Amino acid sequence: DTAVSQTPKYLVTQMGNDKSIKCEQNLGHDTMYWYKQDSKKFLKIMFSYNNKELIINETVPNRFSPKSPDKAHLNLHINSLELGDSAVYFCASSQDTGDYGYTFGSGTRLTVV
Amino acid sequence: QKEVEQDPGPLSVPEGAIVSLNCTYSNSAFQYFMWYRQYSRKGPELLMYTYSSGNKEDGRFTAQVDKSSKYISLFIRDSQPSDSATYLCAMKAAGNKLTFGGGTRVLVKP
Repeated sequence: DTAVSQTPKYLVTQMGNDKSIKCEQNLGHDTMYWYKQDSKKFLKIMFSYNNKELIINETVPNRFSPKSPDKAHLNLHINSLELGDSAVYFCASSQDTGDYGYTFGSGTRLTVV
Repeated sequence: QKEVEQDPGPLSVPEGAIVSLNCTYSNSAFQYFMWYRQYSRKGPELLMYTYSSGNKEDGRFTAQVDKSSKYISLFIRDSQPSDSATYLCAMKAAGNKLTFGGGTRVLVKP
């Protein structure tokens, strides 16, 4: 049983397209996150939701919109994709906002051509 | 300047050697310090955590935190080829988000 699962694992798309990445966790955690990992392996937080409520919204272009239909799911929709959006996007979850033990998914490798 | 600095490596060692990794940081509010291990094409997984200054040992792994110097370390004894991965340090202030270093790639050669 995968604790944090993301779909799709790979996504290749053209500039200007709109795409979505889905994430689900079966750990019963209250908090979920989206992180972006660039080619230099630097992990940067984008968004965090606690029990469906947005609590962290870093400086991310408006083209990125997260949605949490319930506390087990956190999706990421990206409009008008640009070349610079190419990266690996990781979903993660934690027991609550104070927890340090994040559980990460395997990532979605997005390539914009 | 990034909040957390980590040498990207790669760090290549022979099997059985001690691997020494470290991070420096600038935010004095950080209280929780973690090490994550990331294998190629996988998500990071929590390896060790420490609260405030001090040492923590878990099997072949030892984590050290020196808050006065804003410096943390991870030592891997008797390294194995299976330890080959990228090691990311991470830190957080109370109730705040986790901030990661850029990771150090480690290669343990048989």
